[in-house]
Amino acid sequence: DAGVIQSPRHEVTEMGQEVTLRCKPISGHDYLFWYRQTMMRGLELLIYFNNNVPIDDSGMPEDRFSAKMPNASFSTLKIQPSEPRDSAVYFCASSPLGQLNTEAFFGQGTRLTVV
Amino acid sequence: DAKTTQPNSMESNEEEPVHLPCNHSTISGTDYIHWYRQLPSQGPEYVIHGLTSNVNNRMASLAIAEDRKSSTLILHRATLRDAAVYYCILRDNYGGSQGNLIFGKGTKLSVKP
Repeated sequence: DAGVIQSPRHEVTEMGQEVTLRCKPISGHDYLFWYRQTMMRGLELLIYFNNNVPIDDSGMPEDRFSAKMPNASFSTLKIQPSEPRDSAVYFCASSPLGQLNTEAFFGQGTRLTVV
Repeated sequence: DAKTTQPNSMESNEEEPVHLPCNHSTISGTDYIHWYRQLPSQGPEYVIHGLTSNVNNRMASLAIAEDRKSSTLILHRATLRDAAVYYCILRDNYGGSQGNLIFGKGTKLSVKP
C-alpha cells in the first residue's frame, strides 16, 4: 500500500477562493481524520469519520469548512471562502481500530497558503 | 482537551537513554496510551501503544504505572534522528465515538551530538 495520499502537496490561493484538499486513506482502515497544524495552535483535530460517517466535527473552525467522505477510499476538506488565517499544513490520517491493530498513518500533508 | 500533560521540552545526549514522561490522571478503563512523534517537516508517526503492561518494540519501550495515571516512553539509545516532538495520547480502542485521536502540545526532544 502506498500509504495515505494527500493532494495537492502545496496550494497557494487568493483570499476568497474555494480550496479543496483531497485524501485517499489506506484500504481497510475504518477511521479517517483531518488535522490542521500551525505554529500557534499546534496539531488540531478538525473532524473524523468512522466507516465514512462523520463522528465529531466540533473541531471545524467555521461554516466555511466542510468535509465529506463519499466512499471508503476518498475524502475531501473544502474551505469556501478561504482567508489568510486558514494558512496552515493540513494532514489527513487513517487507522484501523482494535486493541492491537490501531496505528494511525498520516499523509505528507498539504501546505496551504492563502494570500 | 488532550487529557495528557507532558513537559514542553527535553534534551538528551546522543547514544544515551531518554525517558519522556506523560501524566494522564483522568484516564478511563478503556483508554489506551499511545505515543506518536513528529519529525521536522513531516507528519506524525506512530511509536508505540499499551494498556496496562509495559510494551517493547523496535523503536521504543513504554512503561505504564500500576495505577495507569502516568507513563514513560523510553528511547534506549537516542540518535540525532530521534530529535522530534513526542506526543502522548489517550485513545479508546474499543471504537465508536471514542475512537478520536487528539494531540496535545507534546514534548520537543533535542539530541546533542
